[in-house]
Amino acid sequence: EAQVTQNPRYLITVTGKKLTVTCSQNMNHEYMSWYRQDPGLGLRQIYYSMNVEVTDKGDVPEGYKVSRKEKRNFPLILESPSPNQTSLYFCASAPRGDNSPLHFGNGTRLTVT
Amino acid sequence: AQSVTQLGSHVSVSEGALVLLRCNYSSSVPPYLFWYVQYPNQGLQLLLKYTTGATLVKGINGFEAEFKKSETSFHLTKPSAHMSDAAEYFCAVSEWTGNQFYFGTGTSLTVIP
Repeated sequence: EAQVTQNPRYLITVTGKKLTVTCSQNMNHEYMSWYRQDPGLGLRQIYYSMNVEVTDKGDVPEGYKVSRKEKRNFPLILESPSPNQTSLYFCASAPRGDNSPLHFGNGTRLTVT
Repeated sequence: AQSVTQLGSHVSVSEGALVLLRCNYSSSVPPYLFWYVQYPNQGLQLLLKYTTGATLVKGINGFEAEFKKSETSFHLTKPSAHMSDAAEYFCAVSEWTGNQFYFGTGTSLTVIP
């Protein structure tokens, strides 16, 4: 089944403790991206990747890192999480970065205390 | 950067009534436009998209949207609401570069039996 898989689905952590949210797609998509969803703000793009080893900042990259060493994986790294990063995070992929529609994972709900 | 405005964060309709969800965008060049639907505890799924060509776009589950350049609008409609349409709906726009998507704040649709 074609899908975007995020792990974990739920994560509670404390301020300053490094964490990684994994994202994997099995559709051989070139384009991948990360979003955070907050009430009243919709989805905002954190980072995106046009292909392996090519990443770029979205609208809200501060406090986040990403890497794209393999085509299928696009992990989101929070080196020192803070409470304002409590949010619902979505990974998405598309065949190419050419306005192809996005395929979304089921989300990761992160709480930072 | 693009911006997307969805009027009405909550819309309620009776089962069988017309559904109208509004979306306006800001763009100086023709954009690519999308509507996504999000069911509880799930990621977003594509409903329909406009790239070029016919301005009336048909999507899944009986939804359609019309691109009106003069009004910078891309409103979503469905002639007859069904209980299963209850969800959150997001309008999104991307520029010709295709690597960044901008989402509206979402409209939560309630269908009253």
